[in-house]
Amino acid sequence: DADVTQTPRNRITKTGKRIMLECSQTKGHDRMYWYRQDPGLGLRLIYYSFDVKDINKGEISDGYSVSRQAQAKFSLSLESAIPNQTALYFCATSGGSKETQYFGPGTRLLVL
Amino acid sequence: QKEVEQDPGPLSVPEGAIVSLNCTYSNSAFQYFMWYRQYSRKGPELLMYTYSSGNKEDGRFTAQVDKSSKYISLFIRDSQPSDSATYLCAMCFPAGGADGLTFGKGTHLIIQP
Repeated sequence: DADVTQTPRNRITKTGKRIMLECSQTKGHDRMYWYRQDPGLGLRLIYYSFDVKDINKGEISDGYSVSRQAQAKFSLSLESAIPNQTALYFCATSGGSKETQYFGPGTRLLVL
Repeated sequence: QKEVEQDPGPLSVPEGAIVSLNCTYSNSAFQYFMWYRQYSRKGPELLMYTYSSGNKEDGRFTAQVDKSSKYISLFIRDSQPSDSATYLCAMCFPAGGADGLTFGKGTHLIIQP
C-alpha cells in the first residue's frame, strides 16, 4: 500500500463550489505539506503543518484553507473554487532528520 | 529570495548516452539539495539528496553541488528509455525542509530507444 494517499484522484467542479482534497499518510511523519503544480510554474507550496496544532501559510495560500485532523491526515479546502485553481495538487510528508519529502500521487482538479 | 532556474527542455538523447541536468539558484542560504523524478500523472519521487557542496553517487546517478557557483547537476549514465520523465531539482534552507522545498520548474527528459 502507498505511504501517502490522496483522494479524490480527479475532480471536476464548478466556479463557486466548495471542495475538499484529502491526504493520509502511514509513514508516521510529523510534517505535512500541500503543493500545487502548474505547467511552466513548477511546484509551489500552499500550506504546511508541523503537527496537529501547527499550521503555516506557504507561498500561495490565498483562496485555500487546511485542516490537520490527526497526525496522519491533512486536508486542503477551496472555499469558493475559481478557474485559475485548476491544477495538479500534491500532498507531501517529511519526518526525522532528513530534509526530504515524500509525495502522494496527486489530485487533478478542474474548475469550470 | 528563493529563485531556482531549470531549463524545461525537452531534452532528447539516445539510449546509452550520458545525461546532464542542471539547476542554478540565487540564494546562497540553501544548504540541502535534492533531485526528484516525476513520471507523467504521478507524484515526484526522490532520487538523490545531498547536503552542501560535493558529489554523491547512487548506481547510474550522480548528483553534484557547487555552492560557490550556485549550481547543481544530476548525471545519468547509460541512460535507459525508463529514465524518460521530468526531473525536478529542489532545495531548502538550513532550518530544513520544515518550511517547504523550493523547486525548479523541471526538465522533461526523453531517452530514445
